[in-house]
Amino acid sequence: DGGITQSPKYLFRKEGQNVTLSCEQNLNHDAMYWYRQDPGQGLRLIYYSQIVNDFQKGDIAEGYSVSREKKESFPLTVTSAQKNPTAFYLCASTLAGPYGYTFGSGTRLTVV
Amino acid sequence: GNSVTQMEGPVTLSEEAFLTINCTYTATGYPSLFWYVQYPGEGLQLLLKATKADDKGSNKGFEATYRKETTSFHLEKGSVQVSDSAVYFCALSVMEYGNKLVFGAGTILRVKS
Repeated sequence: DGGITQSPKYLFRKEGQNVTLSCEQNLNHDAMYWYRQDPGQGLRLIYYSQIVNDFQKGDIAEGYSVSREKKESFPLTVTSAQKNPTAFYLCASTLAGPYGYTFGSGTRLTVV
Repeated sequence: GNSVTQMEGPVTLSEEAFLTINCTYTATGYPSLFWYVQYPGEGLQLLLKATKADDKGSNKGFEATYRKETTSFHLEKGSVQVSDSAVYFCALSVMEYGNKLVFGAGTILRVKS
C-alpha cells in the first residue's frame, strides 16, 4: 500500500543535541511538507519542498533544516538552535494540484 | 492574505445529536476547501473536499458545501457517534500560492454516550 511513513514515533532529545526526523513516501508525490503542532493549537508550516533539490522556508523555519535529495524522502533536522522543540511533528505530501495532503502519523519529540 | 477561521471548541454533544462546525475563510484567488480529522496521537486524515463554488463534499456521513457568497465551508453530520470524537481542521489551498494548505486552529469534538 502506498503511504507516508514517519519515524520514529517518539523521540527524546537532550539539550544541545541535533536530531533528525525521517519522512518517506511511496506515493510518487511531488511536494512534501513539515508541520509543527503544539498542544491545543493548529499546524504551523516549517519547511516545504515542491521538487527534488529545492525547498523553501515556511512560517517557523528558524532552528530547523531539511534536505530533499530524493523524491521519496524529506528529513527534518531539529537543531540545538531551536529553543522550544518539544512538539508533535507532522510530515505531508501531495501531487501538484488541489488534491489536499496525505499526512504521516507523526513524531512526538520531547526534550529531556 | 489567505486565512481560515473555525469556531472555538470544545464542542460537546450527546450521541446521535446533530453536528455543525463553522468554518469561514478569506482568500486571494479561488481556493479549494478541505476538512481534515485528527484522532488522538495520530496524523491528519482528509475527510472531504470541494474545489468550486456550490460543490458539496461528503464522506462517512459528514458533509460540507462550498459557499462562495458567504465564504464558508461548514461541516455537518446528522447523527454523531462516540467514535467521531476527534479534532477537526478546516483548510484551504490556492493554486496561485503553490497549493500550500492554510489551516484553521482546529475544533475539538467530544461525543458522549
